[in-house]
Amino acid sequence: GENVEQHPSTLSVQEGDSAVIKCTYSDSASNYFPWYKQELGKRPQLIIDIRSNVGEKKDQRIAVTLNKTAKHFSLHITETQPEDSAVYFCAANMDSNYQLIWGAGTKLIIKP
Amino acid sequence: DTGVSQDPRHKITKRGQNVTFRCDPISEHNRLYWYRQTLGQGPEFLTYFQNEAQLEKSRLLSDRFSAERPKGSFSTLEIQRTEQGDSAMYLCASSSHRGLGDTEAFFGQGTRLTVV
Repeated sequence: GENVEQHPSTLSVQEGDSAVIKCTYSDSASNYFPWYKQELGKRPQLIIDIRSNVGEKKDQRIAVTLNKTAKHFSLHITETQPEDSAVYFCAANMDSNYQLIWGAGTKLIIKP
Repeated sequence: DTGVSQDPRHKITKRGQNVTFRCDPISEHNRLYWYRQTLGQGPEFLTYFQNEAQLEKSRLLSDRFSAERPKGSFSTLEIQRTEQGDSAMYLCASSSHRGLGDTEAFFGQGTRLTVV
């Protein structure tokens, strides 16, 4: 079955700097890769996603890149702000399989 | 709030008791998922419904857990004979499958279960 690994588990960056979180997946049939942000005590919320027919997708300060050959995808946050502090989860999914397989999460800390 | 809603938000129960949680998905969503999340971990898949049919159930789910979605709208998750290891946040999510690959899931606020 699919396995998703996420690194690092904790990331601390200075406000205004960029943050990068990386995930690898094992099943080459996976074709949908969402990223969720979860603030303390709140629900996970989708922030960006990418499908396997796309290499990169951007939405304002966030971007996701996908390397199908290497089976890894990354989340990039530029010009980080205090409200970016949260736990970020990557996930992978196949259209033929309805369950998302989640990474273990990255706690992002933005230092003022 | 027209998002996914869950009830109750918090539940404290004694070990051995049964508990039931409810999830109301976004009205036009035909897919409904239950996940369990413990502190510091990502959500763990429990089960999935498409309309009223329970199509997938995690092998991690013991027979003390049962879920229903009788009319293809709201869903209930029941845990019988609760154990302390059942303490977790139980998250419900829903999505709309409008074609191959449309799988964005929206989550409810969760029900936090504490078994004492």
